[in-house]
Amino acid sequence: AQSVSQHNHHVILSEAASLELGCNYSYGGTVNLFWYVQYPGQHLQLLLKYFSGDPLVKGIKGFEAEFIKSKFSFNLRKPSVQWSDTAEYFCAARYSGGYQKVTFGTGTKLQVIP
Amino acid sequence: KAGVTQTPRYLIKTRGQQVTLSCSPISGHRSVSWYQQTPGQGLQFLFEYFSETQRNKGNFPGRFSGRQFSNSRSEMNVSTLELGDSALYLCASSPGLLTDTQYFGPGTRLTVL
Repeated sequence: AQSVSQHNHHVILSEAASLELGCNYSYGGTVNLFWYVQYPGQHLQLLLKYFSGDPLVKGIKGFEAEFIKSKFSFNLRKPSVQWSDTAEYFCAARYSGGYQKVTFGTGTKLQVIP
Repeated sequence: KAGVTQTPRYLIKTRGQQVTLSCSPISGHRSVSWYQQTPGQGLQFLFEYFSETQRNKGNFPGRFSGRQFSNSRSEMNVSTLELGDSALYLCASSPGLLTDTQYFGPGTRLTVL
């Protein structure tokens, strides 16, 4: 079955630390990949997405992600986190071929300590 | 442009009852998806509608059903509620079926007692 794995369930960082959240997907075919963020009390919103082309994708608020097809990975990175980045981050994949649903990972809660 | 709206925002029901949740997509969006969000399971896909037709369905029992109207508004219904149905139910809309950026609503928090 198609799946998305996020291995870090809870991450605690100090401000200015670098961030990398892991995401792995299971499907070997064409896949569209997303990172969503849910700030406390707010809606889920799109951080960035990869459909094709340059595997290094830049999103909002200084986030970026790299698609590595050989590793089935789409890790999220930010060089220097801020307290305002405290949120839950979800990786998601939509596998191509017909009408395919979006599959979400279980999420990573990031807590940034001032 | 107004975002995705969901009503009601909070709901308390008892086991055995049924519930209907409503979602109004962003104007012009024709695809609506529903998700169940729980702390242990994350977001789990329920179903996706496009042009009043269910295009995809997740692995949920038949107690979970939905529909979409001609104005793209969608409803989901859960019959014979169980304690485990307590969750945040999220609706997301996108312009087209294969246009993959989804815009999420605030969710309906359902508590089953």
